[in-house]
Amino acid sequence: DTGVSQDPRHKITKRGQNVTFRCDPISEHNRLYWYRQTLGQGPEFLTYFQNEAQLEKSRLLSDRFSAERPKGSFSTLEIQRTEQGDSAMYLCASSLQLTSGKSSEQFFGPGTRLTVL
Amino acid sequence: GQQVMQIPQYQHVQEGEDFTTYCNSSTTLSNIQWYKQRPGGHPVFLIQLVKSGEVKKQKRLTFQFGEAKKNSSLHITATQTTDVGTYFCAGRPSGSARQLTFGSGTQLTVLP
Repeated sequence: DTGVSQDPRHKITKRGQNVTFRCDPISEHNRLYWYRQTLGQGPEFLTYFQNEAQLEKSRLLSDRFSAERPKGSFSTLEIQRTEQGDSAMYLCASSLQLTSGKSSEQFFGPGTRLTVL
Repeated sequence: GQQVMQIPQYQHVQEGEDFTTYCNSSTTLSNIQWYKQRPGGHPVFLIQLVKSGEVKKQKRLTFQFGEAKKNSSLHITATQTTDVGTYFCAGRPSGSARQLTFGSGTQLTVLP
């Protein structure tokens, strides 16, 4: 399977615990995005990387959220001190940014569903 | 900040009827993308529109980008049960911002 993969698919945690999610993008894609999606809403942009550089992180929901893409391949999203309001689907997407500056479609992974008890 | 609004939020149609969802942005867009999300699934890219007034067709689906590049629509002719899902528009604002802003989606139910 050469699509975007995410792990785990489901995570149940207790309030106050830290959680980390992993995303493996399509191998030739240089851009990687993280979104959050709650029921009945569209994906909400959180942050994105161009290779290993995090180009936009002001939309991360709070300082409890952080993301890394250390080698420009897979990425991790960490939420510290989870709260019940963090319960949502966390989606990763990847795309190929062309040198012309044109954007290509984003390919989404299956998501990690987080439940904070 | 940029807002992208979609209407209607829900639409129930009888199989064979037409369906349209509308997308409006508070700011001018450089391009707009449309995605479909099946129940329990993840968003899947359908199309990207870039030019003012652009119209693109994919079989029974017709996509339009407004002249002012602030609105868009998706029209499905003669819906089928396989069209069930939520349709999202996602706009990329003109200027330096790079992230897509998704609308809240239109959930389509097709009754057999």
